[in-house]
Amino acid sequence: AQSVAQPEDQVNVAEGNPLTVKCTYSVSGNPYLFWYVQYPNRGLQFLLKYITGDNLVKGSYGFEAEFNKSQTSFHLKKPSALVSDSALYFCAVRASGGGADGLTFGKGTHLIIQP
Amino acid sequence: DTEVTQTPKHLVMGMTNKKSLKCEQHMGHRAMYWYKQKAKKPPELMFVYSYEKLSINESVPSRFSPECPNSSLLNLHLHALQPEDSALYLCASSQRQQGSYGYTFGSGTRLTVV
Repeated sequence: AQSVAQPEDQVNVAEGNPLTVKCTYSVSGNPYLFWYVQYPNRGLQFLLKYITGDNLVKGSYGFEAEFNKSQTSFHLKKPSALVSDSALYFCAVRASGGGADGLTFGKGTHLIIQP
Repeated sequence: DTEVTQTPKHLVMGMTNKKSLKCEQHMGHRAMYWYKQKAKKPPELMFVYSYEKLSINESVPSRFSPECPNSSLLNLHLHALQPEDSALYLCASSQRQQGSYGYTFGSGTRLTVV
């Protein structure tokens, strides 16, 4: 079985400060890891993914994430937060290998950027 | 075309109605998915289709009936739903090439059962 933990229900950051949204995972074998963002009454927008290769992954809108295998973590980061980054963020995982398995999502973290 | 298109965007239906949700993609993805998302909760996987065949059913009640008529189209037929089935229904599709996994989500259908 695979699972994702997002330990923070909400993260508050002042505009212009760096932000981090935490994610840890559990999966058999090598993980495929994803971050999505959801604005109110909208679908999921893809931010970035880790499949293989460099542990530091750069994604959309200035976001990046670092894959840490020893800590089974994939924290989302941005050097300078914008008010428009305020949204619900989901970390997701699936096991590597064949098959059309769906993603398993964490519970989500509300990111609030204060002006 | 790099989108997953879902119709309708909003749907209100009575408990005795029959309705269908539609999902379409033209990216050549051969895996398609239905997720259910309740307010302020994560999406939960319902069904997975791989090469137009149902490969995963996450113990979804039979009042939800998926259909994949071709590689670009995925339907979810609804019948005799309950108010607790009100949710955002998300469709997704994915690539399956090694090293290039990606999941693309539609904007969802907001379903209200009255």
